[in-house]
Amino acid sequence: RKEVEQDPGPFNVPEGATVAFNCTYSNSASQSFFWYRQDCRKEPKLLMSVYSSGNEDGRFTAQLNRASQYISLLIRDSKLSDSATYLCVVNPNTGNQFYFGTGTSLTVIP
Amino acid sequence: GAGVSQSPRYKVAKRGQDVALRCDPISGHVSLFWYQQALGQGPEFLTYFQNEAQLDKSGLPSDRFFAERPEGSVSTLKIQRTQQEDSAVYLCASSPIQGHAEAFFGQGTRLTVV
Repeated sequence: RKEVEQDPGPFNVPEGATVAFNCTYSNSASQSFFWYRQDCRKEPKLLMSVYSSGNEDGRFTAQLNRASQYISLLIRDSKLSDSATYLCVVNPNTGNQFYFGTGTSLTVIP
Repeated sequence: GAGVSQSPRYKVAKRGQDVALRCDPISGHVSLFWYQQALGQGPEFLTYFQNEAQLDKSGLPSDRFFAERPEGSVSTLKIQRTQQEDSAVYLCASSPIQGHAEAFFGQGTRLTVV
């Protein structure tokens, strides 16, 4: 079983829509969680960290559910510029490895 | 520039050739990571340095892969006797603190083995 599982999508949504991605992780002792964004043929860039209490940054909300071992990313009022691949990242806290999901592809359509 | 710089951006190697990929992290960053990203996949961890010490190399897929960071700054990932399955984007990331919080990635080196 992979450390981190994501639905690869693709998600195709109209501008202004709300879209949510989930990501599950296998190691219950995991401590650090992140969402990265990766544009086509570009490097991953940190979008936001995910805190236990949940956190919000503008149109983006990240949540952590430890009991069910998943994290989520909610994007409200989608913009064309949100089109990208969103990568879920988990540190299982057993070393220095950070595990990436395969990424979820989002396309926002005019 | 102020970001993580990787060179070359693109490399085509014949099967069996040795290659060396360079990473210039952000100045002063303690942690440096190498990842391998195959098409359509997320990055896969290769190795981690804290300053000049290679603390974790558990992700290196074979003994053909070797990484170093002799002065705790620039790092080189070397792949000997390249194989077609080595074709991927090799990403370097650095972080100002121990571990991976807020790591910054370079644009990667796209390696194609023919």
